[in-house]
Amino acid sequence: AIQLTQSPSSLSASVGDRVTITCRASQGISSALAWYQQKPGKAPKLLIYDASSLESGVPSRFSGSGSGTDFTLTISSLQPEDFATYYCQQFNSYPHAITFGQGTRLEIK
Amino acid sequence: EVQLVESGGGLVQPGGSLRLSCAASGFTFSSYWMSWVRQAPGKGLEWVANIKQDGSEKYYVDSVKGRFTISRDNAKNSLYLQMNSLRAEDTAVYYCASSHGGAFDIWGQGTMVTVSS
Repeated sequence: AIQLTQSPSSLSASVGDRVTITCRASQGISSALAWYQQKPGKAPKLLIYDASSLESGVPSRFSGSGSGTDFTLTISSLQPEDFATYYCQQFNSYPHAITFGQGTRLEIK
Repeated sequence: EVQLVESGGGLVQPGGSLRLSCAASGFTFSSYWMSWVRQAPGKGLEWVANIKQDGSEKYYVDSVKGRFTISRDNAKNSLYLQMNSLRAEDTAVYYCASSHGGAFDIWGQGTMVTVSS
């Protein structure tokens, strides 16, 4: 199975900061990657699909990039509501063998 | 309003069975692959199973193969997960989700399954 490694595992930042989270795949997955935001006690929310496509209704301060094995999620200017845990997910062999990264917890500094 | 609502979670003893349900509304359920994704307490997300629009294809993560069965009833706009031979490591919040091209775009609120004696 393809493994996804996110870095960092946790991150402290301030409102207004630019933040980048990285997701590395154990083998090439083209652009078959999505990013999710999850707040405590809530279901995940899709932010980015196909590595760089912004889901409808998601603020434009979120962006995704990358292909192959290295991907990034960038938040251009952190807002208070952005403090959450972020997960990457690969679907290179969809509809089976879907895997998630271990998550990155974004906390207020 | 687009919505997925899970039910059927609870406390079950190791080796026991449980059937989860997910009711869909606000979108054309029969047009989407559907999935179950779980999250153990304090842990990350794990994909569990997928089912094709007409139910003809089903896929599972290795750890549940032979124990869990995903199914759907398009007439009732409902998704199911039959879980047998449950283990402590199956303890998690179980989410149903619609799959659009591989990404999960609509999620339910989740239902908690606890496997414990």
